[in-house]
Amino acid sequence: DADVTQTPRNRITKTGKRIMLECSQTKGHDRMYWYRQDPGLGLRLIYYSFDVKDINKGEISDGYSVSRQAQAKFSLSLESAIPNQTALYFCATSDPRQGDEQFFGPGTRLTVL
Amino acid sequence: RKEVEQDPGPFNVPEGATVAFNCTYSNSASQSFFWYRQDCRKEPKLLMSVYSSGNEDGRFTAQLNRASQYISLLIRDSKLSDSATYLCVVNSQNKFYFGSGTKLNVKP
Repeated sequence: DADVTQTPRNRITKTGKRIMLECSQTKGHDRMYWYRQDPGLGLRLIYYSFDVKDINKGEISDGYSVSRQAQAKFSLSLESAIPNQTALYFCATSDPRQGDEQFFGPGTRLTVL
Repeated sequence: RKEVEQDPGPFNVPEGATVAFNCTYSNSASQSFFWYRQDCRKEPKLLMSVYSSGNEDGRFTAQLNRASQYISLLIRDSKLSDSATYLCVVNSQNKFYFGSGTKLNVKP
């Protein structure tokens, strides 16, 4: 079984809809991250969390919110989706005690029409 | 200015060739450095961490130059399976910054 899972894997929605992307991990890592990837721009950090009570904004948090429901779960919400939020979204985990390698989920491809 | 910059390529090389990628970063206080590999539409995966003394893993060698703020990746004896996008990643103040990636195509 995959260590970091994301649901859904693909989603098409309309402008103005509320969307939630889910991430779960079995690695036991405290640190979790949400990124988006756009062609030619690389991955950009949206939000990150270093433990259940810790939430931090990344480079591009406007239009997004997150919830860290448990150590293993970190969800990303788009309260009112807009077309420029069309992108590939990745969740990742890391443990600084293990060299800080980031482990990524398989990604969610989101299209906002 | 971007935190991390890479030449997007593509680098088109024949099998067996040696190819090198560079990456520059803007924050001199950056703490740790990595190369990730990403196949088309898949998640990035760690290729190797980059240490100040340089490090080698089989055909792959990574170097860090803190004075000039760049890191490099050298791939020797390229294989068809090396075709992918290589992402330079820098950790600054517990945040990870990704380059936009360098695309490598290894041809038969």
